[in-house]
Amino acid sequence: DAKTTQPTSMDCAEGRAANLPCNHSTISGNEYVYWYRQIHSQGPQYIIHGLKNNETNEMASLIITEDRKSSTLILPHATLRDTAVYYCIVRETDSWGKLQFGAGTQVVVTP
Amino acid sequence: KAGVTQTPRYLIKTRGQQVTLSCSPISGHRSVSWYQQTPGQGLQFLFEYFSETQRNKGNFPGRFSGRQFSNSRSEMNVSTLELGDSALYLCASSLDGGFRPQHFGDGTRLSIL
Repeated sequence: DAKTTQPTSMDCAEGRAANLPCNHSTISGNEYVYWYRQIHSQGPQYIIHGLKNNETNEMASLIITEDRKSSTLILPHATLRDTAVYYCIVRETDSWGKLQFGAGTQVVVTP
Repeated sequence: KAGVTQTPRYLIKTRGQQVTLSCSPISGHRSVSWYQQTPGQGLQFLFEYFSETQRNKGNFPGRFSGRQFSNSRSEMNVSTLELGDSALYLCASSLDGGFRPQHFGDGTRLSIL
């Protein structure tokens, strides 16, 4: 699986959009980009995933560059409950249940 | 729809003992994966089961094992516990272990004395 690079930490003001970058320059054609987050003392929570096209759901938007070498997770209106570690993961469709987590980005939303 | 359920939430064991952790996946999910999370190593993949068969395995010693039952519930076992096995053990389920997302339980916190 391709490796990802994320900033160690980010601060965001409550009510503003949070834009979380992720580099995955070695991604291959059959690898998806996934985003998870982990709030302290809980299991990781699935946010969104995509292959080539931009994706949006009730939690967030995922913007993938045309060359697929990087992506951005957008939380449109951050709240204090969005404070968490955010993980960007790329994986092949046949990696059978394996997600390779990196260190992630610690996002702190401040009032 | 009920989420992934892991039991127990907390366990305290001593070195040399063995332990069994349980995971009930989301209804209809047939793939169950296990992960270990420690402050030093982060989240690491242990193994994945689908239709009662181990289909994928991470880089852990043979002391770590698992199984899956016909109702997709899964257990993992750690034998001859070591201090370094202290960790949060997480279970995740998905429909088939492919590109569809995995959903995690809140884990079992295992402490080794």
